[in-house]
Amino acid sequence: SQQGEEDPQALSIQEGENATMNCSYKTSINNLQWYRQNSGRGLVHLILIRSNEREKHSGRLRVTLDTSKKSSSLLITASRAADTASYFCATDAGHYKEYGNKLVFGAGTILRVKS
Amino acid sequence: ETGVTQSPTHLIKTRGQQVTLRCSSQSGHNTVSWYQQALGQGPQFIFQYYREEENGRGNFPPRFSGLQFPNYSSELNVNALELDDSALYLCASSNRQGQYQETQYFGPGTRLLVL
Repeated sequence: SQQGEEDPQALSIQEGENATMNCSYKTSINNLQWYRQNSGRGLVHLILIRSNEREKHSGRLRVTLDTSKKSSSLLITASRAADTASYFCATDAGHYKEYGNKLVFGAGTILRVKS
Repeated sequence: ETGVTQSPTHLIKTRGQQVTLRCSSQSGHNTVSWYQQALGQGPQFIFQYYREEENGRGNFPPRFSGLQFPNYSSELNVNALELDDSALYLCASSNRQGQYQETQYFGPGTRLLVL
């Protein structure tokens, strides 16, 4: 079963606009990561935020984490057509002896940026 | 490019057959994880290998098995293939130091179709 749930399932915006995706999860975590996937190929790591961090930036990406609400958001500013992809959040509960530091993924948000 | 490679890129098998998928981890990484991604869903954790031993397993039957070699490359074997095994199989490598595991970097995946 998947822990995370992304919202919305799909998002269509114009180039230059900002895109916000949300992720909710169920259990306590060690960190939360966001990945991008183009056309059903491999996952590209975007950003990792630890459980003791509240906000993190990387280029046009801004991630927030609210552990009290068990939620995270990914903001992509000034979107480009090349940002068109599926975006997944993944949680690492850090219970390596039981689960081997597995990542638990949500079902993803499909982002389409129209030029 | 993550430095994680997988082979083959595509594979077609029939029900009941056996398949072996291969993964070469990124240089300096000692941990390999395997994920199954069905169409339209997020990846699901199969198992993880650390120092040549299985270290955590998801909700997959024993006909899913694996190996990790001294050079940290890995194989995923699936016996008695079923139609539902059709999916994208992703390998991810990472470096574990004690209980802490760094970011998992994914390969491009192997797309398996079972007829």
